[in-house]
Amino acid sequence: EVRLVQSGAEVKKPGEFLKISCKGSGYSFTSYWIGWVRQMPGKGLEWMGIIYPGDSDTRYSPSFQGQATISADRSISTSFLHWSSLKASDTAIYYCARLYYDSGSYLDYWGQGTQVTVSS
Amino acid sequence: QSVLTQPPSVSAAPGQRVTISCSGSSSNIENNYVSWYQKVPGTAPKLLIFDTDKRPSGIPDRFSGSKSGTSATLGITGLQTGDEADYYCGTWNGSLSGGVFGGGTKLTVL
Repeated sequence: EVRLVQSGAEVKKPGEFLKISCKGSGYSFTSYWIGWVRQMPGKGLEWMGIIYPGDSDTRYSPSFQGQATISADRSISTSFLHWSSLKASDTAIYYCARLYYDSGSYLDYWGQGTQVTVSS
Repeated sequence: QSVLTQPPSVSAAPGQRVTISCSGSSSNIENNYVSWYQKVPGTAPKLLIFDTDKRPSGIPDRFSGSKSGTSATLGITGLQTGDEADYYCGTWNGSLSGGVFGGGTKLTVL
């Protein structure tokens, strides 16, 4: 069974560092891209970027370039999303999902989401 | 604003049929497959339709997808109260930097 399990909710202050995780299991983690998606309070889904754990090739949506960093550690089948200095506007739910990429591309399995709250 | 345009809301009675549109351009929908996701508040998005008109295992055939030119459509027949959710279209943005979503459509089953 394919599963993506994300780390738990975080409450941080502006300017703090944060790293959240997404651990894959039940499939070859290095053979599929992982995507990260943001949902701000009361808003829609936003595509942040993708990473290929096999070689850590990473691509960012233009809107998110420089906002946060996506990484992966293939040895533990885990992808990460991290911020060096959080802002209040980073408050959102963050989802990771497996990207099936072939003739079509779609996010077929999703993590449960990680709530990030940034408040002074 | 989202790259893909969806109506903010649609509604219909139980048992009826509803369609949700997703409008894009030649750089996204027209030249790529479309996917649709169901998002119930408090839960993760769920893949409903992939490759424009295919359903993953376990998704009932009440859900269908289609595309014409730069627009795609999600159809839901035999509406149930359990179908109340936000629905998002998605597609590739034309290069391997990732995809794009529509702004989402809230479905209300009256």
